[in-house]
Amino acid sequence: EPEVTQTPSHQVTQMGQEVILRCVPISNHLYFYWYRQILGQKVEFLVSFYNNEISEKSEIFDDQFSVERPDGSNFTLKIRSTKLEDSAMYFCASTRPTLYGGAEDTQYFGPGTRLTVL
Amino acid sequence: AQSVTQLDSQVPVFEEAPVELRCNYSSSVSVYLFWYVQYPNQGLQLLLKYLSGSTLVKGINGFEAEFNKSQTSFHLRKPSVHISDTAEYFCAVSATFYSSASKIIFGSGTRLSIRP
Repeated sequence: EPEVTQTPSHQVTQMGQEVILRCVPISNHLYFYWYRQILGQKVEFLVSFYNNEISEKSEIFDDQFSVERPDGSNFTLKIRSTKLEDSAMYFCASTRPTLYGGAEDTQYFGPGTRLTVL
Repeated sequence: AQSVTQLDSQVPVFEEAPVELRCNYSSSVSVYLFWYVQYPNQGLQLLLKYLSGSTLVKGINGFEAEFNKSQTSFHLRKPSVHISDTAEYFCAVSATFYSSASKIIFGSGTRLSIRP
């Protein structure tokens, strides 16, 4: 069964450094998402992406964050200058289009990338 | 806007006992409802979902949930739990617009711990 993959599984970085988290969504999916989960807290929506554009973003997704689909398979989340509070598990998700062109109800999540900012 | 409240942060139960994890939601628009499970050090796995139709939905691993519109609840149940059910359980909603689902809003999670 196809699945969403994410690399790396764990990333350690120094405060102020740039990081890029990578995701390979399921191949026929067209809607892409990033969520994050700070340790011990709930999963929070960051951004959704469709047709090479951001569809929606949360208050967390400020100018330090950006997303890109550089080719036909990868979906990346970049944090330009990491802060201590960016330490979290980052989940990528994707979903298919419906027959009517909207996003299907079930999002498929990757295993996550644990980002540790020192 | 949508919100999800999971009333219990932790639920300890004995093996083979029944369990109910409570979830209430609020939304001004139609929503889809979900339960996700997160096993230790793993990602999120869909347990079950309610889109429409029968209010009782069955999921994987013997779990089921009942949608109650008047009480805006979507409680998760299992008649007999196993040690392997030890995990964090997240209730979630997704608003629907013209048959298109939007971002998922998660509850704060309930940690289910099973005692032998």
